[in-house]
Amino acid sequence: DAEITQSPRHKITETGRQVTLACHQTWNHNNMFWYRQDLGHGLRLIHYSYGVHDTNKGEVSDGYSVSRSNTEDLPLTLESAASSQTSVYFCASTQGGSTEAFFGQGTRLTVV
Amino acid sequence: AQSVTQPDIHITVSEGASLELRCNYSYGATPYLFWYVQSPGQGLQLLLKYFSGDTLVQGIKGFEAEFKRSQSSFNLRKPSVHWSDAAEYFCAVGPSGSARQLTFGSGTQLTVLP
Repeated sequence: DAEITQSPRHKITETGRQVTLACHQTWNHNNMFWYRQDLGHGLRLIHYSYGVHDTNKGEVSDGYSVSRSNTEDLPLTLESAASSQTSVYFCASTQGGSTEAFFGQGTRLTVV
Repeated sequence: AQSVTQPDIHITVSEGASLELRCNYSYGATPYLFWYVQSPGQGLQLLLKYFSGDTLVQGIKGFEAEFKRSQSSFNLRKPSVHWSDAAEYFCAVGPSGSARQLTFGSGTQLTVLP
């Protein structure tokens, strides 16, 4: 079955380190998204991509970057991890104007 | 800018009781509205969506939602709650009939008592 997977599921890192969270989907969807989930804020959009080599900033993009070198993957990089980036991160994908977004199971990141 | 408000952070109901989760939105054009459910440790799953037409929409797991333009609301309902419905529920609004960029509410945590 097609799916969207995130890795790792849990990570602890130190302040100032660079961290990359992986997202891989096998639906061949054009659109991929990264959200962070924080108590009281729901999900907030970090970055998104509408296709290979396309990336766009979302609502809370500072301190994060993405790159899209193929259809299947959209890795999220924290350039210099900060404690404020401790959160649960979700990757999602959709096809074109599809009405349904498919979400990964999330990555819980703790920055100490 | 679009926004979504879920006024209830936490709701507790007894199994078998009816449920209504509130959602209010702010959007400049015709809204495209979604309800997602997140079970513990899981990603989000789409329950139902509204784009146009009949203002009462049916979803999976026995859920329904009613779009009321005059009240800018899209409340989620279920006539009889099951223990397995305990989860967090998110309302979201998106542009242009797609899930391309969703704005989420802050979520409502549902607890179901036996």
